[in-house]
Amino acid sequence: KAGVTQTPRYLIKTRGQQVTLSCSPISGHRSVSWYQQTPGQGLQFLFEYFSETQRNKGNFPGRFSGRQFSNSRSEMNVSTLELGDSALYLCASSPHGQAKRTDTQYFGPGTRLTVL
Amino acid sequence: DAKTTQPNSMESNEEEPVHLPCNHSTISGTDYIHWYRQLPSQGPEYVIHGLTSNVNNRMASLAIAEDRKSSTLILHRATLRDAAVYYCILRDAGTASKLTFGTGTRLQVTL
Repeated sequence: KAGVTQTPRYLIKTRGQQVTLSCSPISGHRSVSWYQQTPGQGLQFLFEYFSETQRNKGNFPGRFSGRQFSNSRSEMNVSTLELGDSALYLCASSPHGQAKRTDTQYFGPGTRLTVL
Repeated sequence: DAKTTQPNSMESNEEEPVHLPCNHSTISGTDYIHWYRQLPSQGPEYVIHGLTSNVNNRMASLAIAEDRKSSTLILHRATLRDAAVYYCILRDAGTASKLTFGTGTRLQVTL
């Protein structure tokens, strides 16, 4: 099976702009989770979608949003970009979702976002 | 989420065993212990998980203390490819369950 794919891999934006990142999960996986990774804060959970519904959300402002389509593909959007939003954004898919404690998360390579 | 404590960094020689410790003194009876690792310039990847008994797979072994307040990830023969940041994560039950990453242990492997 193909792994988790994320597009684009690199992105440069300026403050105030908005950005949309895309994630295609492994075929058959219904859960998609998003994480932000920065040198200062490490890996932080953003949100999880399961069957097109947001099931869990991390402690991020409302500028960060997401959605999931019927084919399980997911997008996340960041509006009014700030310099501090520069990070590696990682997507992970799993068959059953975060609620199953034994479920393995399969991560994509990430999208490197730079905000100037 | 219960917290985990790991050393910031460890070093190993290639082809020697590596024992990566993790303390989780506030673990609850239903928390699973998961290990992930992140190779340079890649997303994290699953390594192993367990509940009470020791576990083995093709990548590593997981030794869990009898009181479950600590665990050790064992790489039997480290290779240069094993150089990564290793994260020990506790996963609890319920819909609030999510992967909460700590700072992890950066493993350096030298020839």
